[in-house]
Amino acid sequence: QVQLQESGPGLVKPSETLSLTCTVSGASIDSNTFYWAWIRQSPEKGLEWIATINYNGETYFNPSLKSRVTISLDASRTRYSLKLRSMAAADTAVYYCARDRVRWRHFDHWGQGTLVTVSS
Amino acid sequence: EIVLTQSPGTLSLSPGERATLSCRGSQSLSSSYLAWYRQTPGQAPRLLIYGTSTRATGIPDRFSGSGSGTDFTLTISRLEPEDFAVYYCQHYGSSLRYTFGQGTKLEIK
Repeated sequence: QVQLQESGPGLVKPSETLSLTCTVSGASIDSNTFYWAWIRQSPEKGLEWIATINYNGETYFNPSLKSRVTISLDASRTRYSLKLRSMAAADTAVYYCARDRVRWRHFDHWGQGTLVTVSS
Repeated sequence: EIVLTQSPGTLSLSPGERATLSCRGSQSLSSSYLAWYRQTPGQAPRLLIYGTSTRATGIPDRFSGSGSGTDFTLTISRLEPEDFAVYYCQHYGSSLRYTFGQGTKLEIK
């Protein structure tokens, strides 16, 4: 059974960097059948794709966020991470990690999501 | 940048009725990369349909998808109580970018 679980702080101060980790179980990050993504959701912007990484460490970014985002694979190959720099109130959202089926480019498994609030 | 527009914004129907939800692209969409999700309050979106018309694992046959070009449709033939939720379409485009629609809320009439 594939499971994804986000972890990280629920509160970040303006201008700081958000760091989130997604722990994957029941599936291999090393598979070339799947890529691994971060998506966020806010009432203002709805669902917004942030970034994707594949088993080779190749990365893809939403152009609107690219300058502030880093996505990486953990050496354990069971986790991947997101860093979003220069956080602002507009970055307040529920952040999801999700698995991308490469052949069809959709998200077939999602984490439960973690609410990140930007506030001083 | 492709924009996905879903309509209606809110759809009020009764259990047992048929629901038709629309997703329109600002440019022609790849039917291979058009998916639909259902989201209930406090939960992550759940994949319903991918490749325009293929049901995801465990999705009942009352859900169907169709469309081509810029216009795509999700149809729920007979609404069950758990179907009253928010529905999103999603597309992956040639610019290596994923886009979501703004959602259609299906509410009980």
